[in-house]
Amino acid sequence: GQNIDQPTEMTATEGAIVQINCTYQTSGFNGLFWYQQHAGEAPTFLSYNVLDGLEEKGRFSSFLSRSKGYSYLLLKELQMKDSASYLCAVRGSGNTPLVFGKGTRLSVIA
Amino acid sequence: GAGVSQSPSNKVTEKGKDVELRCDPISGHTALYWYRQSLGQGLEFLIYFQGNSAPDKSGLPSDRFSAERTGGSVSTLTIQRTQQEDSAVYLCASSTGPNEKLFFGSGTQLSVL
Repeated sequence: GQNIDQPTEMTATEGAIVQINCTYQTSGFNGLFWYQQHAGEAPTFLSYNVLDGLEEKGRFSSFLSRSKGYSYLLLKELQMKDSASYLCAVRGSGNTPLVFGKGTRLSVIA
Repeated sequence: GAGVSQSPSNKVTEKGKDVELRCDPISGHTALYWYRQSLGQGLEFLIYFQGNSAPDKSGLPSDRFSAERTGGSVSTLTIQRTQQEDSAVYLCASSTGPNEKLFFGSGTQLSVL
């Protein structure tokens, strides 16, 4: 089976940097995704990591360590519109489905 | 179409009734997922179709739930004898392959009274 853990809630200040962690246990590994979901809306894709290291995309970066079963999403220069839930999702081996964690609700305050 | 389309957007039903939820994936996408999301909760995997392979039904919560995908395109999720605990947003997503990013529809908000 698969188990994905991430903090339930986080609060950060506008303009600051925040790191959202995700740990996972899976049978095999075929990639880790981060999605953003604003309240009342569908999730949208942010990043994909399949090899160890940091993937940077504008204000957002995602890091993966396969040996530690660990990833983080780094958000820089926080804006109020970044207030949303951030979902970590992992694909295990073979043709297994993409499984999501429960998400981290981020609140950006002035 | 331009994106994943789900219908209806809202469905209110009485306990014990059957409901059908529809998903039109992006044209050419071989992978299709159904997830369920209760208020303030994460996405609960329900069922996964990939190409012509047998679907992965391991997430279906009971035998009242079933889904099919006709012609490798449109999918229907059927819930029989609905219960109040079935109330949730049902999200459909599609992708070009098993390791590609998912595109989500706007979901169907199901309310069982």
